[in-house]
This record gives sequence, C-alpha cells and structure tokens, in this order.
Amino acid sequence: AQSVAQPEDQVNVAEGNPLTVKCTYSVSGNPYLFWYVQYPNRGLQFLLKYITGDNLVKGSYGFEAEFNKSQTSFHLKKPSALVSDSALYFCAVRDINPGNNRLAFGKGNQVVVIP
Amino acid sequence: DTGVSQDPRHKITKRGQNVTFRCDPISEHNRLYWYRQTLGQGPEFLTYFQNEAQLEKSRLLSDRFSAERPKGSFSTLEIQRTEQGDSAMYLCASSFRVSTHAETEAFFGQGTRLTVV
Repeated sequence: AQSVAQPEDQVNVAEGNPLTVKCTYSVSGNPYLFWYVQYPNRGLQFLLKYITGDNLVKGSYGFEAEFNKSQTSFHLKKPSALVSDSALYFCAVRDINPGNNRLAFGKGNQVVVIP
Repeated sequence: DTGVSQDPRHKITKRGQNVTFRCDPISEHNRLYWYRQTLGQGPEFLTYFQNEAQLEKSRLLSDRFSAERPKGSFSTLEIQRTEQGDSAMYLCASSFRVSTHAETEAFFGQGTRLTVV
C-alpha cells in the first residue's frame, strides 16, 4: 500500500522568509512524487513532480522539492515566501508499478504567509 | 477553456435521491480519474478509466457509486440513494498515458461539491 504523511497541519511563515512543507511517503517500489496546491473553492493545481533523475526538482511559482530516498521524503521548499503562497498544499505518491495507477494524497498542509 | 471541466459545481440534494456528476477531461487525455475529498483530508481515489475502459473500481465506496465513460471522452459519476455521509467534494482529473512507464501528471477540475440534507 502507498501512503503519504504530512506531519504539520499548518505552516506559518513571514513573507520573505524561506518556506518548507514536509512530506514523507511509503511505497512498495520506487515512487513517483507530486506536489499540488489548492486555493479556496478551486481544484488542485500541479506544482512539480519527481519521476527520475536529479533529486532536486524545480516547479511552478519558484517552488522546488528534493527527493531523498534514504529518508523517504519529498519536502517542498521556496526560498522567499509571498503572501499569495497562502494555500493548502498536498503531497502525493504513486508506485511506478504500471498496475498501480492511483495517487495517494497526504491530508494537506495549510500554509499561511504573514505579511 | 482547455482544462478539466466539472458540472455542476455545487449540488444540494435530499437524502435518498440519486445524483449524477459530469466530467469533461482535457481533450487529448486518455486517462480519467475520480477522487473524493472531505474536509480536512486529501483527495481519496475512487476509480479510473483508460479511454472507455474502467480499469479499477474496487475503491468505489459502495455499490451505490458507479461511473461511466461511454465513448472515452466525458465521464459521469452517479451516486444512488444518497446519504449524509456522501457529502464531499468530488474531483475529476485527467492525464495522458504515453506508454507503460510514461504518463503526464494529473490535471484536476474544480470539483463538484455535494451536500446531502
């Protein structure tokens, strides 16, 4: 079974400070990893993904994430947070096994960027 | 608009009634997924289609839930005899599977919020 843990319910950060949203995962094989963001009354928007290759992945809006296989983590980072980054962030994992096609999501982290 | 479209955006229904939601995926996408999201939780997988074939439906919550994608384009999700516990956001997503190990990320619609009273 595959699963994602996002240990913090809410992340508060001052505008301009670095933002980190934590994610750890569990899969039986090798993972495909994703970050999505959800604004109020909106669907999930794709931010970035790790499939293979470089462990540091760069995505939309200045976000990046680092895949760490030994720690089974895929933390989302942004060097300088903006107030507009305030939203709900979801980490998701899928096993690369072609017979497994569903994404398993974490419960989400509410990010609040304080002006 | 070339994104994933869901209709309606909101649905209020009385307990025991049937409801049907529609999803129009991105036109060239061959995979279509349904998820359910309740307050404070991440999306939960329900079922998915490869073209018109429903390849996994074991995660549908009960036999009151069914989904179709008759021509491999739009899809419908039906809930029969709705219960208050069915109240949630129902999300549709689509992707393009190029080969066994190559698939684009999933693109999500804005969801249909169901309230059962």
